[in-house]
Amino acid sequence: KAGVTQTPRYLIKTRGQQVTLSCSPISGHRSVSWYQQTPGQGLQFLFEYFSETQRNKGNFPGRFSGRQFSNSRSEMNVSTLELGDSALYLCASGVGSGENIQYFGAGTRLSVL
Amino acid sequence: TQLLEQSPQFLSIQEGENLTVYCNSSSVFSSLQWYRQEPGEGPVLLVTVVTGGEVKKLKRLTFQFGDARKDSSLHITAAQPGDTGLYLCAGWPLLSNYKLTFGKGTLLTVNP
Repeated sequence: KAGVTQTPRYLIKTRGQQVTLSCSPISGHRSVSWYQQTPGQGLQFLFEYFSETQRNKGNFPGRFSGRQFSNSRSEMNVSTLELGDSALYLCASGVGSGENIQYFGAGTRLSVL
Repeated sequence: TQLLEQSPQFLSIQEGENLTVYCNSSSVFSSLQWYRQEPGEGPVLLVTVVTGGEVKKLKRLTFQFGDARKDSSLHITAAQPGDTGLYLCAGWPLLSNYKLTFGKGTLLTVNP
């Protein structure tokens, strides 16, 4: 069974641009959660999607948004990039919503110059 | 304010030594999980502890959940270079509305 797939693995953008990251969950998993990982703050929860609906949201500005498609694949978008958005963005999939085992992808390393 | 405080932040030891990593909070968690993350990879779940006072063993790794479900520890016996990585504790706070919360991690280096 294939694991969680995130694309692209690496991305370089400049300030002010926008970026879209993609996550394909494990087959049969219906929830996708996104996290931002930085050396200073560690892993921080961005949002969770289940059956195409956002179920939960972390404390991030509105520049961070996401969506989930009917096949459970998810995308995360960051608009008007700032230097501080440089981070490893991880997505995790789970069978159900809320408290269940999370399986993580390898992440997308975003660098904002 | 970090809901889950991990200590130590960095740990460098020799092969064969024992070590303990701590994960503490003032909040109650319905469960706590431990992950290991290697460079260039996402976190991989090692164990979930659910019951206060629970102890789980995974080969040379022993995980304990505090009686009050506010803290946890990870003990590694006879560490090996393959144990090197970032160890993360994470949990679902009882009143979190389903937000998985992570500690900042302990970066362990085991030298041969």
